[in-house]
Amino acid sequence: GAGVSQSPSNKVTEKGKDVELRCDPISGHTALYWYRQSLGQGLEFLIYFQGNSAPDKSGLPSDRFSAERTGGSVSTLTIQRTQQEDSAVYLCASSLIWGTPDYEQYFGPGTRLTVT
Amino acid sequence: DAKTTQPPSMDCAEGRAANLPCNHSTISGNEYVYWYRQIHSQGPQYIIHGLKNNETNEMASLIITEDRKSSTLILPHATLRDTAVYYCIPARGGYQKVTFGTGTKLQVIP
Repeated sequence: GAGVSQSPSNKVTEKGKDVELRCDPISGHTALYWYRQSLGQGLEFLIYFQGNSAPDKSGLPSDRFSAERTGGSVSTLTIQRTQQEDSAVYLCASSLIWGTPDYEQYFGPGTRLTVT
Repeated sequence: DAKTTQPPSMDCAEGRAANLPCNHSTISGNEYVYWYRQIHSQGPQYIIHGLKNNETNEMASLIITEDRKSSTLILPHATLRDTAVYYCIPARGGYQKVTFGTGTKLQVIP
Protein backbone atom coordinates (compact mmCIF):
# COMPACT_ATOMS: atom_id res chain seq x y z
CA GLY A 1 0.00 0.00 0.00
CA ALA A 2 0.92 3.66 -0.03
CA GLY A 3 3.60 4.83 2.34
CA VAL A 4 3.76 7.93 4.45
CA SER A 5 3.40 11.05 2.35
CA GLN A 6 4.34 14.61 3.18
CA SER A 7 3.63 17.90 1.53
CA PRO A 8 5.03 20.13 0.33
CA SER A 9 8.33 18.47 -0.48
CA ASN A 10 10.07 21.83 -0.42
CA LYS A 11 9.03 25.10 1.16
CA VAL A 12 10.83 28.42 1.01
CA THR A 13 9.44 31.13 3.23
CA GLU A 14 10.44 34.52 4.50
CA LYS A 15 11.43 35.06 8.07
CA GLY A 16 8.41 35.90 10.19
CA LYS A 17 5.86 34.07 8.06
CA ASP A 18 3.83 31.08 9.25
CA VAL A 19 4.10 27.70 7.54
CA GLU A 20 2.07 24.51 7.63
CA LEU A 21 3.53 21.11 6.88
CA ARG A 22 1.30 18.14 6.21
CA CYS A 23 1.72 14.44 6.89
CA ASP A 24 -0.49 11.61 5.65
CA PRO A 25 0.38 8.46 7.61
CA ILE A 26 -0.11 4.91 6.44
CA SER A 27 -3.76 3.96 6.74
CA GLY A 28 -4.47 2.19 10.01
CA HIS A 29 -1.32 3.36 11.76
CA THR A 30 -2.26 4.70 15.17
CA ALA A 31 1.02 6.36 16.09
CA LEU A 32 2.44 9.40 14.34
CA TYR A 33 5.72 11.21 14.96
CA TRP A 34 7.28 14.45 13.80
CA TYR A 35 11.06 14.86 13.68
CA ARG A 36 13.38 17.60 12.54
CA GLN A 37 16.75 17.09 10.90
CA SER A 38 19.08 20.02 10.51
CA LEU A 39 21.90 19.87 7.97
CA GLY A 40 24.41 17.18 8.92
CA GLN A 41 22.61 16.39 12.17
CA GLY A 42 20.67 13.44 13.51
CA LEU A 43 16.93 13.35 13.86
CA GLU A 44 15.43 15.43 16.64
CA PHE A 45 12.11 14.26 18.07
CA LEU A 46 9.40 16.95 18.07
CA ILE A 47 5.99 15.49 18.89
CA TYR A 48 4.14 12.18 19.09
CA PHE A 49 0.48 11.29 18.64
CA GLN A 50 -1.05 7.98 19.66
CA GLY A 51 -4.71 7.34 19.02
CA ASN A 52 -6.94 9.60 21.08
CA SER A 53 -4.38 10.15 23.82
CA ALA A 54 -2.95 13.56 24.56
CA PRO A 55 0.11 14.11 22.35
CA ASP A 56 3.62 14.18 23.76
CA LYS A 57 4.78 17.70 22.87
CA SER A 58 7.94 17.61 24.93
CA GLY A 59 10.23 17.84 21.92
CA LEU A 60 8.78 21.02 20.45
CA PRO A 61 11.58 23.62 20.59
CA SER A 62 9.37 26.65 21.27
CA ASP A 63 5.76 27.78 21.50
CA ARG A 64 5.97 28.84 17.86
CA PHE A 65 5.67 25.16 17.00
CA SER A 66 2.37 23.31 17.21
CA ALA A 67 0.84 20.24 15.66
CA GLU A 68 -2.52 18.63 15.39
CA ARG A 69 -3.84 15.37 14.13
CA THR A 70 -7.37 15.34 12.80
CA GLY A 71 -9.52 12.24 12.94
CA GLY A 72 -6.60 10.14 14.01
CA SER A 73 -5.08 10.36 10.56
CA VAL A 74 -3.64 13.42 8.82
CA SER A 75 -1.34 15.65 10.85
CA THR A 76 -0.29 19.25 10.36
CA LEU A 77 2.82 20.80 11.89
CA THR A 78 2.58 24.59 12.10
CA ILE A 79 5.49 26.92 12.66
CA GLN A 80 4.55 30.50 13.44
CA ARG A 81 6.80 33.49 12.87
CA THR A 82 9.49 31.37 11.26
CA GLN A 83 13.13 32.02 12.05
CA GLN A 84 16.21 31.10 10.04
CA GLU A 85 17.15 28.45 12.59
CA ASP A 86 13.90 26.66 11.73
CA SER A 87 15.42 25.72 8.37
CA ALA A 88 15.64 21.92 8.32
CA VAL A 89 14.05 18.82 6.90
CA TYR A 90 10.88 17.94 8.78
CA LEU A 91 10.16 14.22 8.80
CA CYS A 92 6.96 12.45 9.69
CA ALA A 93 6.72 8.78 10.64
CA SER A 94 3.89 6.45 11.53
CA SER A 95 3.71 3.06 13.13
CA LEU A 96 1.13 0.34 13.36
CA ILE A 97 0.54 -0.84 16.90
CA TRP A 98 1.32 0.79 20.20
CA GLY A 99 2.47 -1.31 23.11
CA THR A 100 3.98 -4.21 21.23
CA PRO A 101 7.67 -4.81 20.65
CA ASP A 102 7.47 -5.81 17.03
CA TYR A 103 6.87 -2.48 15.44
CA GLU A 104 8.88 -0.04 13.44
CA GLN A 105 8.43 3.47 12.22
CA TYR A 106 7.75 4.16 8.55
CA PHE A 107 9.07 7.51 7.46
CA GLY A 108 7.89 9.91 4.84
CA PRO A 109 10.25 11.66 2.42
CA GLY A 110 10.28 14.84 4.46
CA THR A 111 9.62 18.52 3.83
CA ARG A 112 12.68 20.68 3.30
CA LEU A 113 11.97 24.07 4.88
CA THR A 114 14.16 27.02 4.05
CA VAL A 115 13.62 30.29 5.88
CA THR A 116 15.22 33.26 4.14
CA ASP B 1 16.82 6.05 26.89
CA ALA B 2 20.21 4.37 26.58
CA LYS B 3 23.13 6.28 25.10
CA THR B 4 24.84 4.86 22.03
CA THR B 5 28.28 5.14 20.53
CA GLN B 6 28.86 4.49 16.85
CA PRO B 7 31.89 5.23 14.68
CA PRO B 8 31.20 8.33 12.63
CA SER B 9 32.19 6.74 9.34
CA MET B 10 33.24 3.49 7.72
CA ASP B 11 34.21 2.29 4.26
CA CYS B 12 33.40 -1.09 2.78
CA ALA B 13 34.32 -2.62 -0.58
CA GLU B 14 31.39 -3.55 -2.78
CA GLY B 15 30.49 -7.22 -2.40
CA ARG B 16 32.15 -7.54 0.96
CA ALA B 17 30.41 -7.77 4.32
CA ALA B 18 29.88 -4.50 6.15
CA ASN B 19 30.04 -4.82 9.92
CA LEU B 20 28.70 -1.79 11.76
CA PRO B 21 29.27 -1.74 15.52
CA CYS B 22 27.23 -0.01 18.18
CA ASN B 23 27.95 0.35 21.86
CA HIS B 24 24.89 0.67 24.09
CA SER B 25 26.30 -0.16 27.51
CA THR B 26 23.46 1.53 29.42
CA ILE B 27 20.68 -0.34 27.66
CA SER B 28 17.91 -1.44 30.00
CA GLY B 29 16.39 -4.88 30.13
CA ASN B 30 13.19 -3.92 28.33
CA GLU B 31 14.86 -2.04 25.50
CA TYR B 32 15.25 -3.54 22.08
CA VAL B 33 18.06 -2.61 19.71
CA TYR B 34 16.66 -1.10 16.51
CA TRP B 35 18.67 -0.28 13.42
CA TYR B 36 17.58 2.21 10.79
CA ARG B 37 19.40 3.68 7.84
CA GLN B 38 19.01 6.92 5.94
CA ILE B 39 20.03 7.13 2.34
CA HIS B 40 20.88 10.62 1.19
CA SER B 41 17.84 12.89 0.87
CA GLN B 42 15.41 10.19 1.96
CA GLY B 43 13.56 9.46 5.19
CA PRO B 44 15.02 6.80 7.50
CA GLN B 45 14.25 3.16 6.73
CA TYR B 46 13.82 0.39 9.27
CA ILE B 47 16.32 -2.45 8.92
CA ILE B 48 16.07 -4.86 11.82
CA HIS B 49 15.65 -5.08 15.57
CA GLY B 50 16.36 -7.56 18.35
CA LEU B 51 16.24 -8.05 22.09
CA LYS B 52 18.68 -10.78 23.08
CA ASN B 53 18.94 -13.27 20.28
CA ASN B 54 20.67 -12.73 16.99
CA GLU B 55 18.30 -11.84 14.20
CA THR B 56 18.39 -12.10 10.42
CA ASN B 57 16.10 -10.83 7.73
CA GLU B 58 16.35 -10.18 4.02
CA MET B 59 18.30 -6.99 4.58
CA ALA B 60 20.77 -7.74 7.33
CA SER B 61 21.83 -9.70 10.37
CA LEU B 62 22.00 -8.37 13.90
CA ILE B 63 24.43 -9.79 16.41
CA ILE B 64 23.84 -8.79 20.04
CA THR B 65 26.42 -9.62 22.68
CA GLU B 66 25.35 -11.78 25.58
CA ASP B 67 25.58 -8.86 28.01
CA ARG B 68 23.59 -6.73 25.51
CA LYS B 69 26.02 -3.87 25.85
CA SER B 70 26.88 -3.84 22.18
CA SER B 71 25.64 -5.06 18.84
CA THR B 72 26.81 -5.36 15.26
CA LEU B 73 24.76 -4.89 12.15
CA ILE B 74 25.99 -7.03 9.28
CA LEU B 75 25.23 -6.35 5.63
CA PRO B 76 26.49 -9.61 4.11
CA HIS B 77 27.21 -8.39 0.58
CA ALA B 78 27.33 -4.62 0.51
CA THR B 79 26.24 -2.85 -2.66
CA LEU B 80 26.61 0.75 -3.70
CA ARG B 81 22.96 1.29 -2.76
CA ASP B 82 23.83 0.48 0.85
CA THR B 83 25.75 3.74 1.12
CA ALA B 84 23.85 5.53 3.88
CA VAL B 85 23.93 6.67 7.49
CA TYR B 86 23.13 3.81 9.85
CA TYR B 87 21.51 4.49 13.21
CA CYS B 88 21.54 2.16 16.21
CA ILE B 89 18.67 2.94 18.60
CA PRO B 90 17.88 1.19 21.87
CA ALA B 91 14.18 1.67 22.54
CA ARG B 92 11.25 0.05 24.22
CA GLY B 93 8.61 -1.46 22.05
CA GLY B 94 5.63 0.65 21.28
CA TYR B 95 6.02 4.37 21.81
CA GLN B 96 9.57 5.33 20.96
CA LYS B 97 10.44 8.87 21.86
CA VAL B 98 13.97 8.70 20.59
CA THR B 99 16.63 10.88 19.16
CA PHE B 100 18.45 9.18 16.36
CA GLY B 101 21.88 10.66 16.97
CA THR B 102 24.43 11.05 14.19
CA GLY B 103 24.95 7.35 13.34
CA THR B 104 27.65 5.80 11.14
CA LYS B 105 28.09 7.01 7.60
CA LEU B 106 28.83 3.89 5.55
CA GLN B 107 30.47 4.44 2.19
CA VAL B 108 30.47 1.41 -0.12
CA ILE B 109 33.34 1.65 -2.55
CA PRO B 110 33.26 0.10 -6.04
